[in-house]
Amino acid sequence: DQQVKQNSPSLSVQEGRISILNCDYTNSMFDYFLWYKKYPAEGPTFLISISSIKDKNEDGRFTVFLNKSAKHLSLHIVPSQPGDSAVYFCAATNFNKFYFGSGTKLNVKP
Amino acid sequence: DAGVTQSPTHLIKTRGQHVTLRCSPISGHKSVSWYQQVLGQGPQFIFQYYEKEERGRGNFPDRFSARQFPNYSSELNVNALLLGDSALYLCASSLVLNYGYTFGSGTRLTVV
Repeated sequence: DQQVKQNSPSLSVQEGRISILNCDYTNSMFDYFLWYKKYPAEGPTFLISISSIKDKNEDGRFTVFLNKSAKHLSLHIVPSQPGDSAVYFCAATNFNKFYFGSGTKLNVKP
Repeated sequence: DAGVTQSPTHLIKTRGQHVTLRCSPISGHKSVSWYQQVLGQGPQFIFQYYEKEERGRGNFPDRFSARQFPNYSSELNVNALLLGDSALYLCASSLVLNYGYTFGSGTRLTVV
């Protein structure tokens, strides 16, 4: 039962352009959403989060958008940098249970 | 400042054995969560602890158990190991529940 889905396993973007990573969820009871970045041989690193009562949260080059009616979450990275190349996971929480998507591998080309 | 530390980093066990994985959270963090990540998938939530109490449990069999100690470190125990338990086990800690978890690098468990 995959409650959080990332349908794009990979994304390739040119340096300086916008990267948009998408995430869909099925459970309308999720109260918090998070994005994590993961490099090989390391644990996931927290990037940015958003409460279910908001529709946008911005932190530097990273912006997360939440569309509750569509049950859709997206992460925008502007401008993209080669160091952003990693696997990105979206996650959602519901009553202290966490659910992760399967990840999207982002490749930012110089 | 030390991050989340997990031990051991790698482990090989035989089917039917028991394993204990350990996690030390970032100093001051009171919440610890455990995840199982199978190759090609996202982390699957196993347990969450806050202030030494279990606050959340994922869909894992009773062979999986955990606890959090007074110093906020945590152990994950798995009994009667199966081949399918082979995975990367991640621990994450946070100051408070549901926000900004920092992950350790994980313990790679191989069951043969």
